[in-house]
Amino acid sequence: EVQLVESGGGLAQPGRSLRLSCAGSGFSFDDYAMHWVRQAPGKGLEWVSGISWDSDNIGYADSVKGRFTISRDNAKSSLFLQMNSLRTDDTALYYCAKDRSSEPYDAFDLWGQGTMVTVSS
Amino acid sequence: EIVLTQSPGTLSLSPGERVTFSCRASQTIISSYLAWYQQKPGQAPKLLIYGASSRATGIPDRFSGSGSGTDFTLTISRLEPEDFAVYYCQQYGSSPLTFGGGTKVEIK
Repeated sequence: EVQLVESGGGLAQPGRSLRLSCAGSGFSFDDYAMHWVRQAPGKGLEWVSGISWDSDNIGYADSVKGRFTISRDNAKSSLFLQMNSLRTDDTALYYCAKDRSSEPYDAFDLWGQGTMVTVSS
Repeated sequence: EIVLTQSPGTLSLSPGERVTFSCRASQTIISSYLAWYQQKPGQAPKLLIYGASSRATGIPDRFSGSGSGTDFTLTISRLEPEDFAVYYCQQYGSSPLTFGGGTKVEIK
């Protein structure tokens, strides 16, 4: 089955860190760029970060630049998001999404179900 | 950053009606790198249209997209009960990628 499964979400205090993971299966993970997209409760979609198939091309939203780091391990078909210096406005459901292309960027044709991150003291 | 404005915010319609969604960009989107997604409550978004007018795999032909430059539209020719959802446009022509605020289609 073609799918993406996120994990690693939870409750964190402001200023702390969390590391999200996304496991891909059913497709050639290393052929595609990958992304993280988040959705705050009751709000719209916000692109967080994207990474090319070979990790050579990486982009971030201004709201997370310098605090979040995207990475991937193609041997393990996995995508990661290291989130440091968390803020209350980082509270959201974080989706992993597959790009239609190997290089940034194209539309996102496969999404996971998301992992919830709550930042609160 | 390219800002995408979707209008209206909410539409109240009946099954069988035709609906058109608008997505306006603050600057030209290169190569019509514009996508449309559908999101139902409690579910992840689903790709409907990419490249402004190409239907994604498995998307019924009642969904169609058009436009270029700064003005894009998504049309559903005849609303089915399963089409009541929130629709987002997204530009992927330049980083940072951005989404519109969404249009909710609710049952009248």
